[in-house]
Amino acid sequence: GENVEQHPSTLSVQEGDSAVIKCTYSDSASNYFPWYKQELGKGPQLIIDIRSNVGEKKDQRIAVTLNKTAKHFSLHITETQPEDSAVYFCAAVDSSYKLIFGSGTRLLVRP
Amino acid sequence: DGGITQSPKYLFRKEGQNVTLSCEQNLNHDAMYWYRQDPGQGLRLIYYSQIVNDFQKGDIAEGYSVSREKKESFPLTVTSAQKNPTAFYLCASSNQGLTGNTIYFGEGSWLTVV
Repeated sequence: GENVEQHPSTLSVQEGDSAVIKCTYSDSASNYFPWYKQELGKGPQLIIDIRSNVGEKKDQRIAVTLNKTAKHFSLHITETQPEDSAVYFCAAVDSSYKLIFGSGTRLLVRP
Repeated sequence: DGGITQSPKYLFRKEGQNVTLSCEQNLNHDAMYWYRQDPGQGLRLIYYSQIVNDFQKGDIAEGYSVSREKKESFPLTVTSAQKNPTAFYLCASSNQGLTGNTIYFGEGSWLTVV
């Protein structure tokens, strides 16, 4: 079945710098890759997603890239702000159409 | 407001007791899901339902049960057979089942065994 690996597990950046989180997946049939942001004690919120028919998608300071050949996708946050501090999860849909999550990245933006 | 409502937010259970977590959505979504999250960990799928009166086991269904009698409701029962139930439980829904459409989450329920 699908396996999603996420790196790094923790990431600390200075306010204003960029942050990059990377994920790899194993099922070449996967075609949908969402990213979620989870604040402490709350449910995950979808921040951006990408489907396999595109290579990149942007929404203001957030972008996601997808390399189907290498089976990896990445989240890029530019001009980071303290409110970006949270846990970020990547996910991929497996061959039985279930959403499989990565293990999460704890992002800390230092003021 | 449209969304997914989970209740209660915090629940304490004595060993040997069954407890039921409520999940209601007014998004008119067909599919609903239950995930479990342990501290510092990712999300694991417990059960999912693509349509009323039908549901399937996820990766960690043992010790849990669900029902889907109404489109808007998908309650989860944590039974006494679940040996380590203390966790954060998340309900979610999507509008066209599991075929890659966006999944939205509720705010979660904390369950602690005392």
